Amino acid sequence: EPEVTQTPSHQVTQMGQEVILRCVPISNHLYFYWYRQILGQKVEFLVSFYNNEISEKSEIFDDQFSVERPDGSNFTLKIRSTKLEDSAMYFCASNQGGIAKETQYFGPGTRLLVL
Amino acid sequence: ILNVEQSPQSLHVQEGDSTNFTCSFPSSNFYALHWYRWETAKSPEALFVMTLNGDEKKKGRISATLNTKEGYSYLYIKGSQPEDSATYLCAFIHTDKLIFGTGTRLQVFP
Repeated sequence: EPEVTQTPSHQVTQMGQEVILRCVPISNHLYFYWYRQILGQKVEFLVSFYNNEISEKSEIFDDQFSVERPDGSNFTLKIRSTKLEDSAMYFCASNQGGIAKETQYFGPGTRLLVL
Repeated sequence: ILNVEQSPQSLHVQEGDSTNFTCSFPSSNFYALHWYRWETAKSPEALFVMTLNGDEKKKGRISATLNTKEGYSYLYIKGSQPEDSATYLCAFIHTDKLIFGTGTRLQVFP
């Protein structure tokens, strides 16, 4: 069964460094999402992406964050200058028809630790 | 601020017990509610998308009901097995964003 994959599974970085988290969504999906979960807190929506554009973003998704679909398969989340509070598990998800209409398929997550 | 609450936060049951937990969400402007099952170190796995008041969905021993007028959904597990141990998340749709609850962490002991 097709699945969403994410790399790396763990990333440790120094505060102020740039990180790129990578996701390969399911191949025939058109909508892509990033979420994060800070330890002990709720899973939070960051951004949704469709047709090579951001369709929705949360207040967390400020100028330090960007997303890109550089080729036909990868979907990336870049954090330009990481802060301690960016430490979290980051999940990518995708679906075919859009957020409310159907299930989203999640990747296993990247655990980011900012020191 | 939209809030999605789940209770209890954690639950320990014996194998064979049936169990249920609750997701509470804002009852106005309801569009859909998602339930996910999330095992440690794995991807959250979709269980149900519920859209209509009175909906009842079933997948094996797991079922869910929806009351949009009063703003709650119940998830039931019949005859719990150790492999049901996971965190069960609900998520409410608001302006095309998923708003998650804190989850109910279920532990089933053999």
